Amino acid sequence: GENVEQHPSTLSVQEGDSAVIKCTYSDSASNYFPWYKQELGKGPQLIIDIRSNVGEKKDQRIAVTLNKTAKHFSLHITETQPEDSAVYFCAATTLFSGGYNKLIFGAGTRLAVHP
Amino acid sequence: DVKVTQSSRYLVKRTGEKVFLECVQDMDHENMFWYRQDPGLGLRLIYFSYDVKMKEKGDIPEGYSVSREKKERFSLILESASTNQTSMYLCASSYQLGRQNTGELFFGEGSRLTVL
Repeated sequence: GENVEQHPSTLSVQEGDSAVIKCTYSDSASNYFPWYKQELGKGPQLIIDIRSNVGEKKDQRIAVTLNKTAKHFSLHITETQPEDSAVYFCAATTLFSGGYNKLIFGAGTRLAVHP
Repeated sequence: DVKVTQSSRYLVKRTGEKVFLECVQDMDHENMFWYRQDPGLGLRLIYFSYDVKMKEKGDIPEGYSVSREKKERFSLILESASTNQTSMYLCASSYQLGRQNTGELFFGEGSRLTVL
């Protein structure tokens, strides 16, 4: 079946440094790539997403890049802060039963930002 | 704010018991989902529903069933709980933007189930 691989599984950075999380996907028809952040004790929350007709998208300190040829997409967080500490999940769409799209999630990256 | 409420944050059940996990959303979303979250495996889709009384199997439906009698409520049922169903269960909802369009998922805070 289709899958999404996410690296690294854990990432530790100093406050103010940048953090990069990378994902690869297998379904060449994937057209939507969201990133979710899960804080301790909470459900995941969408922080940024990108569609296949765009190569890069930025929202303040976070940005996502997409390389459809290589089937790679990445999350970039600049000027990290302790409140960025969380588990981050990437996801990609794949066609599902009934003609619906579903999301396949990566395994997650636990980011720790140290003051 | 969109709110997805899961009825129980923590449950402890015994092997063979029937377990009900309830989820309610207040944004009139058409789509509702049940995911299972395990370390190193990410979020895996158990079932989803795109309309009242409609349901579709996800990637890991074995041992689970669902019920959607009202638009705002989506229930996950473990007919006979087993120890390998010990996990975090996440409910989510989203607008239906069309079959090929995927909208933002709004998640509940999760229900951590332990089966002894």
